[in-house]
Amino acid sequence: GAGVSQSPRYKVAKRGQDVALRCDPISGHVSLFWYQQALGQGPEFLTYFQNEAQLDKSGLPSDRFFAERPEGSVSTLKIQRTQQEDSAVYLCASSLAPAFGNTIYFGEGSWLTVV
Amino acid sequence: AQSVAQPEDQVNVAEGNPLTVKCTYSVSGNPYLFWYVQYPNRGLQFLLKYITGDNLVKGSYGFEAEFNKSQTSFHLKKPSALVSDSALYFCAVRDPAGANNLFFGTGTRLTVIP
Repeated sequence: GAGVSQSPRYKVAKRGQDVALRCDPISGHVSLFWYQQALGQGPEFLTYFQNEAQLDKSGLPSDRFFAERPEGSVSTLKIQRTQQEDSAVYLCASSLAPAFGNTIYFGEGSWLTVV
Repeated sequence: AQSVAQPEDQVNVAEGNPLTVKCTYSVSGNPYLFWYVQYPNRGLQFLLKYITGDNLVKGSYGFEAEFNKSQTSFHLKKPSALVSDSALYFCAVRDPAGANNLFFGTGTRLTVIP
């Protein structure tokens, strides 16, 4: 597609509910990233995929957070037993190749509110 | 370890005046530096990047940034501000000696006053 697509754009979850956030990267992009952006803050890295391999998950805040990219294209970020502190915008991003000079393009984000 | 500092939470400038949004960085290797802009309820839009070569980098919407290695800075500039430039601006760095992800500053809110 023309850009990184994320769904749902907005999600309200009751505390304790599981949520799944979907990311469709730009077609052909090898690298895929998930970031978390709290209100008034800069994005913080969660995890990184190269094709289907999850090469870095050092930013995932707890074992309630899980991400996958089984066929090296679409990715899903899953949050189990949501808590209020999980309320944030979850940004997906992709780049053509892993090289550090490549531009990383972001989607519009999935806004999660846990009540 | 890598870090990015945006010392100003808020910058106000009159329409038509030049604008500067400041960014300093710290990395262990040669930095790859990026600027992104975020409009309300939107994702991040890429503005420009410095990889190597000319220290003055030109990007989208008339923005430019100057890489200064001795001052470890990468300030964003525009000669004449527009009201539509009002948004949140993020500086980010990738450290080739570190992890393969962008590390962001805390952002600077730019308001252009008509």
